[in-house]
This record gives sequence, structure tokens and C-alpha cells, in this order.
Amino acid sequence: AQSVSQHNHHVILSEAASLELGCNYSYGGTVNLFWYVQYPGQHLQLLLKYFSGDPLVKGIKGFEAEFIKSKFSFNLRKPSVQWSDTAEYFCAVKMDFQKLVFGTGTRLLVSP
Amino acid sequence: DAGVIQSPRHEVTEMGQEVTLRCKPISGHNSLFWYRQTMMRGLELLIYFNNNVPIDDSGMPEDRFSAKMPNASFSTLKIQPSEPRDSAVYFCASSTGQGAGDEQFFGPGTRLTVL
Repeated sequence: AQSVSQHNHHVILSEAASLELGCNYSYGGTVNLFWYVQYPGQHLQLLLKYFSGDPLVKGIKGFEAEFIKSKFSFNLRKPSVQWSDTAEYFCAVKMDFQKLVFGTGTRLLVSP
Repeated sequence: DAGVIQSPRHEVTEMGQEVTLRCKPISGHNSLFWYRQTMMRGLELLIYFNNNVPIDDSGMPEDRFSAKMPNASFSTLKIQPSEPRDSAVYFCASSTGQGAGDEQFFGPGTRLTVL
């Protein structure tokens, strides 16, 4: 079955630490990849997306993600997190241009 | 643009009552999506429309749930009768529906509590 896995359910970091959140999907066809962020009490917002070209994608607020096709992965990274990055992060995959499938989310807590 | 608008923002009701959630997509967007978010199951797609036509309702949990999109600027999600296990945050999202990489824009959600 088509699925999206985010293995880290909860991550706790100190400010200035580096962040990497894993995202893997199971599908052999064409994919388009997204990372969304949900700040406490707010709705989902797009951080970045990949649909073609350079597999290293840069998004807002210093986030980036790398699409590694051979590993079916689209990990999210940020070199130095801030307290304001505390949020829940969702990886989402559109498979063969159909509906988005979301991962279960990773809750990030950044301590000041 | 005001973004995706949802109402009500909060709804508390008793088991057995009918609940109607409303969504106004971004003007010009052709695709509309209804999601449910719970701690246990995460974010689940319930149904989506393209040009007001339901395309995939395989995520609708059961017959108690129904969704309509009578025109391009309005959609409803109805639960009748409601049950405590329906308690969740329901999000509506819209997109242009054009191109593989088109982004979905989410509304603020409706937090539903069924007692």
C-alpha cells in the first residue's frame, strides 16, 4: 500500500542545534513531495516542495530538504533551529499526481 | 485574499446530533479537500472535489458522513448522527488543481467535540 513514514514522532532540541527529520515513502512511480508545518493552534502551512529539477529544495525560514529517489526519502533539515521552530512537521507525498498522503507528523520542541 | 475560510471554529455537540461544517475555498481554486486530524490517526483525507465534483470519497469513514459542494465557493461536511469518536479537528484545503506541484492551502480548522 502507498504510505508515508515519519519515524521520529517527537524531537527535542536546544536552540542552535541542527535538525533533520526523516520522511520515507513507499511508491515506485512519479512523486511530488511536500513538507508542511503546523505551529501550535494554527493551520498547516507549506514549508517547501519538490516536483522536478534540483533534488535539494530550499524553503522558508532556512529549511531545506533533499529528495533521494534511490532511498525513497525526503528528509527535512535546518542547520540551526530557533525556539520559534517549535511546531509539528508533516511530510506529504503526491503519488502519480493524485491526492496527497500525509505522514503521521513529528512534534518538534526547541528549548531556549 | 482571505485564504480558506472555515466555520464554525469550534463546535461542541451531544451524541446523536447533526453537525455541519462549512468551508469557503480560495477564489479561483478548483480543488477542495476535507481532512480530519486526530492524535491517534494523524491527518486523514476524507474526500476531495475537483470543479465541484467529488473525485475520491474513499476516506469518508461511514455513511454518517456526507460532503457536498454546490458551487465553486462553498462546501459542507455533515455528520449525522454524530458520535464521540468523531471528535477531531476538521480541516478544509483548496488548490488550483493545476500541475503536479500545486500547493494545498489549509483553513484554520473546526475543532469538533462530541459529548
